[in-house]
Amino acid sequence: NAGVTQTPKFQVLKTGQSMTLQCAQDMNHNSMYWYRQDPGMGLRLIYYSASEGTTDKGEVPNGYNVSRLNKREFSLRLESAAPSQTSVYFCASRTHHDTDYEQYFGPGTRLTVT
Amino acid sequence: QKEVEQNSGPLSVPEGAIASLNCTYSDRVSQSFFWYRQYSGKSPELIMSIYSNGDKEDGRFTAQLNKASQYVSLLIRDSQPSDSATYLCAVKKPDTGRRALTFGSGTRLQVQP
Repeated sequence: NAGVTQTPKFQVLKTGQSMTLQCAQDMNHNSMYWYRQDPGMGLRLIYYSASEGTTDKGEVPNGYNVSRLNKREFSLRLESAAPSQTSVYFCASRTHHDTDYEQYFGPGTRLTVT
Repeated sequence: QKEVEQNSGPLSVPEGAIASLNCTYSDRVSQSFFWYRQYSGKSPELIMSIYSNGDKEDGRFTAQLNKASQYVSLLIRDSQPSDSATYLCAVKKPDTGRRALTFGSGTRLQVQP
């Protein structure tokens, strides 16, 4: 049981390049989330998916797109990377119980945009 | 005003002491509260959740919730150097459909041997 996995662990992009961050969970969770973490800013929600086939914007969605490929996988795409997107990206998932809001995080992707 | 506020620290305590970490939140109708521990370069790890007023104990950790005063705290008894990390407070606000959490920016704890 690997929990939440993310690839890649590290990535360096040039401004304008595109890439997709991959996330998968094996806990049979319905909800999945993408956060970014910047120094002094805490974790900020980019996009979330309440269930397979649905996605919605969080606090900071500009410059990102997502795909909920199936129940296990939730990917985050940067179409044209900008230096402001330099950050650590975390994927998280949550159990399907309505009263249980505990989220579990993947190991993160450290992205640098030059 | 930030929705979830924490003192960034660092909070420095000697080994064996009680570390007290505090968090305040702005939305009075927030429902659920969580403490995550994050070691440098690692992902957040859930250590406590609390849903109702009062204290909740789990080993050396005690979470305290006071909804009237809109604060939640985490006490770590018998602090160990391995407790040195950043502690993130997270709040679940009334349902927006996303069931996401709002995080504070974290308090860095240093436990001195």
